[in-house]
Amino acid sequence: NAGVTQTPKFQVLKTGQSMTLQCAQDMNHEYMSWYRQDPGMGLRLIHYSVGAGITDQGEVPNGYNVSRSTTEDFPLRLLSAAPSQTSVYFCASSPLTSGRRNTGELFFGEGSRLTVL
Amino acid sequence: AQKITQTQPGMFVQEKEAVTLDCTYDTSDQSYGLFWYKQPSSGEMIFLIYQGSYDEQNATEGRYSLNFQKARKSANLVISASQLGDSAMYFCAMRGINTGGFKTIFGAGTRLFVKA
Repeated sequence: NAGVTQTPKFQVLKTGQSMTLQCAQDMNHEYMSWYRQDPGMGLRLIHYSVGAGITDQGEVPNGYNVSRSTTEDFPLRLLSAAPSQTSVYFCASSPLTSGRRNTGELFFGEGSRLTVL
Repeated sequence: AQKITQTQPGMFVQEKEAVTLDCTYDTSDQSYGLFWYKQPSSGEMIFLIYQGSYDEQNATEGRYSLNFQKARKSANLVISASQLGDSAMYFCAMRGINTGGFKTIFGAGTRLFVKA
């Protein structure tokens, strides 16, 4: 069971470079999201999606783009990396419907550690 | 707007004792879900427990229970009989169903240290 797969796990960028963090899930979850984790600030929501073709901004969307062309994939793009984007990034997915078996809890990837010099 | 507040940056507890981690929330949604996640030093996020806003009974999962006080907008996590392996970061989270758009937001977290 793959669950949520994030790549790469580690990345070092120079200021101004661009890159894409990949996220894929094989659980047919409608909801997918990206968070960044910084010390003392918990997980902050960057962007999220409730289905293919639908995305919305979270708490800290500036500097990041997303798209959702399929149910399975939700890539996060940094168009021009800045040192302030140095962080650990988590992708997470969940079913939308709550019920006896689904509480709507998030299934997380292992995280991607990004350093911007 | 939705907001989660965890006011305890760090907590210490003696092994085998119980500990309560505080969480308060703010939302205008009538229907929402509350969650607790654990993050050990290895970094992965582990789901612990869920409470729905319409659930009348407090949720329990093994040694974890959620003390849900809707009027006070609090959702404290109680860990009974603490173990050394409980040392970790703990995050409270909320998913709003209506105006929240299903997005899940997190608090800043509480780092729990279990002493032998």
